[in-house]
Amino acid sequence: GQQLNQSPQSMFIQEGEDVSMNCTSSSIFNTWLWYKQDPGEGPVLLIALYKAGELTSNGRLTAQFGITRKDSFLNISASIPSDVGIYFCAGQLGGQGAQKLVFGQGTRLTINP
Amino acid sequence: EAQVTQNPRYLITVTGKKLTVTCSQNMNHEYMSWYRQDPGLGLRQIYYSMNVEVTDKGDVPEGYKVSRKEKRNFPLILESPSPNQTSLYFCASSWDRFNSPLHFGNGTRLTVT
Repeated sequence: GQQLNQSPQSMFIQEGEDVSMNCTSSSIFNTWLWYKQDPGEGPVLLIALYKAGELTSNGRLTAQFGITRKDSFLNISASIPSDVGIYFCAGQLGGQGAQKLVFGQGTRLTINP
Repeated sequence: EAQVTQNPRYLITVTGKKLTVTCSQNMNHEYMSWYRQDPGLGLRQIYYSMNVEVTDKGDVPEGYKVSRKEKRNFPLILESPSPNQTSLYFCASSWDRFNSPLHFGNGTRLTVT
């Protein structure tokens, strides 16, 4: 099936630092989504992007839908301990809906206080 | 509270012993899906259902069955579990199969010995 390349696979940072992660694909997507998974829980939607070039913020989180429609990035500013978790990007192929949602491998974020 | 509920949360079983993981959503969502999560592989879709009595294979359907007799329930059935099905399983639902975001359950950790 389709694959998304998400990087980095893991990050170890100090509290207060900014974080950046990205996803790339060989396929064009119509929607990019970013999810966060806390330990022992299911993924929760953070940001949804629906148009190429779109830049969307949710508090300290900012995500962009790449112009080529083949990539997206997520930035977290001034990280805090509750940002710890696994972040997943997901791309949705055009016109086919959620059943063609493809997930990245995840970025595990660890924060040292 | 709107939620997707999976049971059980943890399950240890032996090879070949049939098991069912239940999934129920209380949001009247049309679309439901099962994913498995494995280290380094992200979330991979097993099966999905666009409505009652409508199911289809995802990317990794081998060894699994599903049914959608009622809108709220979407059980995952392993007729003859094998050790390679040891994984973390997530059920998810959304309003429809298009751009509405997925809501995930809290996961079922399955170990097959």
